[in-house]
Amino acid sequence: NAGVMQNPRHLVRRRGQEARLRCSPMKGHSHVYWYRQLPEEGLKFMVYLQKENIIDESGMPKERFSAEFPKEGPSILRIQQVVRGDSAAYFCASSPHKNTEAFFGQGTRLTVV
Amino acid sequence: TQLLEQSPQFLSIQEGENLTVYCNSSSVFSSLQWYRQEPGEGPVLLVTVVTGGEVKKLKRLTFQFGDARKDSSLHITAAQPGDTGLYLCAGVWGSQGNLIFGKGTKLSVKP
Repeated sequence: NAGVMQNPRHLVRRRGQEARLRCSPMKGHSHVYWYRQLPEEGLKFMVYLQKENIIDESGMPKERFSAEFPKEGPSILRIQQVVRGDSAAYFCASSPHKNTEAFFGQGTRLTVV
Repeated sequence: TQLLEQSPQFLSIQEGENLTVYCNSSSVFSSLQWYRQEPGEGPVLLVTVVTGGEVKKLKRLTFQFGDARKDSSLHITAAQPGDTGLYLCAGVWGSQGNLIFGKGTKLSVKP
């Protein structure tokens, strides 16, 4: 679990600001998944990326949210003009191949005030 | 529509009791995974079941994959307070290979 690094662990933003969440996958993993979790709920799929490509973004809101996984560097989940409803825990997971086990980071807890 | 339905949603038991939680779907999955998540942490993978009818044991935890690969169960023997957490099942869905989750079973084991 510790192999997938997410930062920051906690992020506070005012309404209208931008939030940037970072995820460094485990070494050798080229597949990254982002999930959102509200209190007392399961994980809701947002987006699946492979190096430099978005494979499936069907779970991501069409406005204000974007994700990337560049050739070099971490995967970034970007939320523009945050609203209170964006407050949640955002988790990233990585896997070495498609359709294999995924390993999670510790999450970023976003609070919009 | 939830592809993976987990039950019960909440479970509170005394230390030493046995319990079973379920993960059900109307769809066939090539494999199912079970995770445990503690408050403030990310999910940790417990096991992956691949073959219909497969049974895997992890100490006091027994995982079973249904013959038709549409459902799975997790049985805990002699539960301990350290077993407390959110138990999530997950499966690979669709041609894109998304990993989707059920809503989880929140287990509380009281000493």
